[in-house]
Amino acid sequence: EIVLAQSPVTLSLSPGERATLSCRATQSVSNYLAWYQQRPGQAPRLLIYDASNRATGIPARFSGSGSGTDFTLTISSLEPEDFAVYYCHQRSNWPYTFGQGTKLEIK
Amino acid sequence: EVQLVESGGGLVQPGGSLRLSCSASGFSFTDYGMRWARQAPGKGLEYVSSITYNGGSTFYADSVKGRFIVSRDNSKNTVYLQMSSLRAEDTAVYYCVNGGATSGGVSGIYWGQGTLVTVSS
Repeated sequence: EIVLAQSPVTLSLSPGERATLSCRATQSVSNYLAWYQQRPGQAPRLLIYDASNRATGIPARFSGSGSGTDFTLTISSLEPEDFAVYYCHQRSNWPYTFGQGTKLEIK
Repeated sequence: EVQLVESGGGLVQPGGSLRLSCSASGFSFTDYGMRWARQAPGKGLEYVSSITYNGGSTFYADSVKGRFIVSRDNSKNTVYLQMSSLRAEDTAVYYCVNGGATSGGVSGIYWGQGTLVTVSS
């Protein structure tokens, strides 16, 4: 099973600041890596798929990069609604797995 | 508008069974694989099962293998998760999610609202 390790576990920032979230896989997932946002009480929302493609309707401030085992989600300038939990996810090998999440909180 | 609507959750005793349903609309269901994910209270996400567009192949997480069965009825645009021998650790919100498509659509973009399964005596 491919394990995804996200860092940091918690990220405290202010609106307008830049956020950088990391995800590292225990083996290569090629570019089959996605990022999700989850707000309390809601289902996850797909932000980025195949490492760097924004899903439909996702603002341009969200961007993804990386390949193989190391990936990054960047939020260029935080909006109040961006404070949530973020998960990375691989669909390279079954069982498809998620990282443990990064909580982005308001500083 | 794409909709995935789960139903069938509830309270069940350890060792019991439950069948979840997910009714799909607003997209070409028969072109898509489908998946079930779950999230225990306050915890992260886990995919428990996946089924191909025609039901020809199914996949399970080790945590549910031998206890859960995924199936689909393309005439009803519905996917099912039959859960048996339920344990306390199966307590979670269960989500229906789209998988990959024969037409190349994006997997994991459509999620239902979730249905809560609670396993407790």
